[in-house]
Amino acid sequence: GAVVSQHPSWVICKSGTSVKIECRSLDFQATTMFWYRQFPKQSLMLMATSNEGSKATYEQGVEKDKFLINHASLTLSTLTVTSAHPEDSSFYICSASRLPTNEKLFFGSGTQLSVL
Amino acid sequence: DAKTTQPNSMESNEEEPVHLPCNHSTISGTDYIHWYRQLPSQGPEYVIHGLTSNVNNRMASLAIAEDRKSSTLILHRATLRDAAVYYCILSRTGAGSYQLTFGKGTKLSVIP
Repeated sequence: GAVVSQHPSWVICKSGTSVKIECRSLDFQATTMFWYRQFPKQSLMLMATSNEGSKATYEQGVEKDKFLINHASLTLSTLTVTSAHPEDSSFYICSASRLPTNEKLFFGSGTQLSVL
Repeated sequence: DAKTTQPNSMESNEEEPVHLPCNHSTISGTDYIHWYRQLPSQGPEYVIHGLTSNVNNRMASLAIAEDRKSSTLILHRATLRDAAVYYCILSRTGAGSYQLTFGKGTKLSVIP
């Protein structure tokens, strides 16, 4: 089956630093990738939709200047958490749909971010 | 997106069938019914999806009510590896991409 690779699996950083998370579709092209955030014991919340070659679409309440998304190729999208603070600590998950069918999403394994 | 309602939690004995219900009374004619599951500390995993007819795959079966206002995910023989949070989601698919809005899901516990 299609695989979405997410890296790193976990990261610990100091407050004020920036962290980049990569999401790759390994064996298919994805014009659209999605970024979710999940706090402990809660469901996934869609943060933004990442479109290849264009600006990402952010959900209401998500700061675009804080969560920078770049989707420069059909197989790679990155999420950069800029000037991270402890409240940004969360489980970040990416997903992608395979062309030409959009019947299901493939998810990465997630990135646990801990900001000290 | 139309809303779904699921029980917060369910329990099942190992090797017994499990029926996970989902209500979606405001479903529209073009909404697909998707099921995903999430194991602890992992990303969600696709389970099954359907539109009107019942669906079967190697993981599970999906039974869709005739009026489409409810559906049931059926795991034929629960194993310990099936312990996860199961999400029932409605989405519209088309020529372009689509997005999924996750609810709270049902946490399934499997008892050895």
